[in-house]
Amino acid sequence: DAGITQSPRHKVTETGTPVTLRCHQTENHRYMYWYRQDPGHGLRLIHYSYGVKDTDKGEVSDGYSVSRSKTEDFLLTLESATSSQTSVYFCAIRGGAGNTEAFFGQGTRLTVV
Amino acid sequence: ELKVEQNPLFLSMQEGKNYTIYCNYSTTSDRLYWYRQDPGKSLESLFVLLSNGAVKQEGRLMASLDTKARLSTLHITAAVHDLSATYFCAENNAGNNRKLIWGLGTSLAVNP
Repeated sequence: DAGITQSPRHKVTETGTPVTLRCHQTENHRYMYWYRQDPGHGLRLIHYSYGVKDTDKGEVSDGYSVSRSKTEDFLLTLESATSSQTSVYFCAIRGGAGNTEAFFGQGTRLTVV
Repeated sequence: ELKVEQNPLFLSMQEGKNYTIYCNYSTTSDRLYWYRQDPGKSLESLFVLLSNGAVKQEGRLMASLDTKARLSTLHITAAVHDLSATYFCAENNAGNNRKLIWGLGTSLAVNP
């Protein structure tokens, strides 16, 4: 199994509070991704990183920010959590672009009340 | 708009039957991936298809890729209950190959 760990695995937070989710990998992969998964929407890309300090927006980036100060860690921050951000969040890693598959973390279930 | 369309989105089938899930994509990518997700779990890579005509098989599942038709298929042979899961296809975004474009998933239920 790819060495990828998400923390926390479950979190309940109040509307308006900031929340940070962590993705940690031991594979030294260049690419890291944050997705959210909601019923009826499949996987939607929030942000991704293609190297240390190199990040780009995905299709649903509003209300989220990311940081990657080390190869192994990719942080996702909800600046001021809203109920619409209640979701399951998955981190994924890829060794390269193009012809390599993505490997997923176990997911974080976030509930904003 | 770049998109990946899977059909059907829901599939209920009997054990022992055969069926095919279709994945149509819109770009000129020749990289296609299939994943499986069990309820409440993460996504697991099943197949990586990297060229036109590629065919991969694992147990009762076989995936193929036709880049001219922009179509990949996941064929299920003699289904068993353990295959019940959601299956996703994803293509490599030919315009930005750092990103994958995902289908909505096919929820498969195999009934006795």
